[in-house]
Amino acid sequence: DAGVIQSPRHEVTEMGQEVTLRCKPISGHDYLFWYRQTMMRGLELLIYFNNNVPIDDSGMPEDRFSAKMPNASFSTLKIQPSEPRDSAVYFCASSLDGSGTDTQYFGPGTRLTVL
Amino acid sequence: ILNVEQSPQSLHVQEGDSTNFTCSFPSSNFYALHWYRWETAKSPEALFVMTLNGDEKKKGRISATLNTKEGYSYLYIKGSQPEDSATYLCAQTGSARQLTFGSGTQLTVLP
Repeated sequence: DAGVIQSPRHEVTEMGQEVTLRCKPISGHDYLFWYRQTMMRGLELLIYFNNNVPIDDSGMPEDRFSAKMPNASFSTLKIQPSEPRDSAVYFCASSLDGSGTDTQYFGPGTRLTVL
Repeated sequence: ILNVEQSPQSLHVQEGDSTNFTCSFPSSNFYALHWYRWETAKSPEALFVMTLNGDEKKKGRISATLNTKEGYSYLYIKGSQPEDSATYLCAQTGSARQLTFGSGTQLTVLP
């Protein structure tokens, strides 16, 4: 298996633009997670899905952020409009089940820079 | 909200030295403790998942212990090598079954 795939790997955009990050989880994994890594807050959970349904989006910073999972093999995280403080590395992870003891497998991340 | 803390924040050791660092977490509502290894420009890689008090896991030169009653886990690296240089993250799963990560310990092994 190719593991969790994310695109793009790097994104540079200007303030106010829409940004869409993409993720393909490991085939057969029922759970998909979006995380954001910043120097100030470390690795924080934004939202997660179970069988394509959003379960907990309490970590989404504000209404400018939205996430979708239209099918089992694809998810997007959208920021509209983007702001400089959104600059961070965004990780997608997937796991077989949400038992809490199950390993989450991380993608390579998307490094977002908002100018 | 879980508060997971790691110490030290960073660590420099000489090749061949053994080292260890700490992860502290709330002992109430404990479900599992995860250790990840994260190299620069790569994705975090799972090392261990531990659930039981007294658990001890080993993978090559790396091992980890767990004390759920007092709320801490230690990660040990025996005979550190330059390729062990990475950030080591711990994360706790609580009743919500979500991972809450610590800020990590950044290890640099000097040749």
